[in-house]
Amino acid sequence: KNQVEQSPQSLIILEGKNCTLQCNYTVSPFSNLRWYKQDTGRGPVSLTIMTFSENTKSNGRYTATLDADTKQSSLHITASQLSDSASYICVGDYGGSQGNLIFGKGTKLSVKP
Amino acid sequence: DAGVIQSPRHEVTEMGQEVTLRCKPISGHNSLFWYRQTMMRGLELLIYFNNNVPIDDSGMPEDRFSAKMPNASFSTLKIQPSEPRDSAVYFCASSRTGRETQYFGPGTRLLVL
Repeated sequence: KNQVEQSPQSLIILEGKNCTLQCNYTVSPFSNLRWYKQDTGRGPVSLTIMTFSENTKSNGRYTATLDADTKQSSLHITASQLSDSASYICVGDYGGSQGNLIFGKGTKLSVKP
Repeated sequence: DAGVIQSPRHEVTEMGQEVTLRCKPISGHNSLFWYRQTMMRGLELLIYFNNNVPIDDSGMPEDRFSAKMPNASFSTLKIQPSEPRDSAVYFCASSRTGRETQYFGPGTRLLVL
């Protein structure tokens, strides 16, 4: 069964600190893995898309990693800012039809001053 | 570009009433997706269209839900009759082609009393 599990469920950090969010996925056949940021009251915004052959991808202060062997992905946020407070959603794409996406429940990150 | 536009942003209705949600995708995008988000279940794909044609509606919860895309710039999601358990945030997203990044609208927050 295709599934995506994220940890932790929520996280509080101080501004300027780094943090890492985890995603374990069981997605078959695997096409790509995506990370989205969702601010409160808004729609998700894509941060990265990684295919099987990519093990690291950066978007500014956000760096996503992918380990296809262990089926784990992480999202590392460097030098956090208050604006990083949001939910971060990991999404597995199991190929074929465009609608074959499975969403994790997200990690809610709060960055405190 | 204005991004994906959804209306209304908020809808409060009584059980049994018909609800119609509207979406205007980004110009030039040929794929459109309807999602529902709840605290319990996270984001779930309801249906998606490719070139105005419904490709997969297996996520539509039951016959009370229907979606149409009469042209490339407009789609509707209708719930008739609505029930309290339909209360959720409904997102529309579009993508240019293939498996590219999906761009989400701001969502419609639906409350069925």
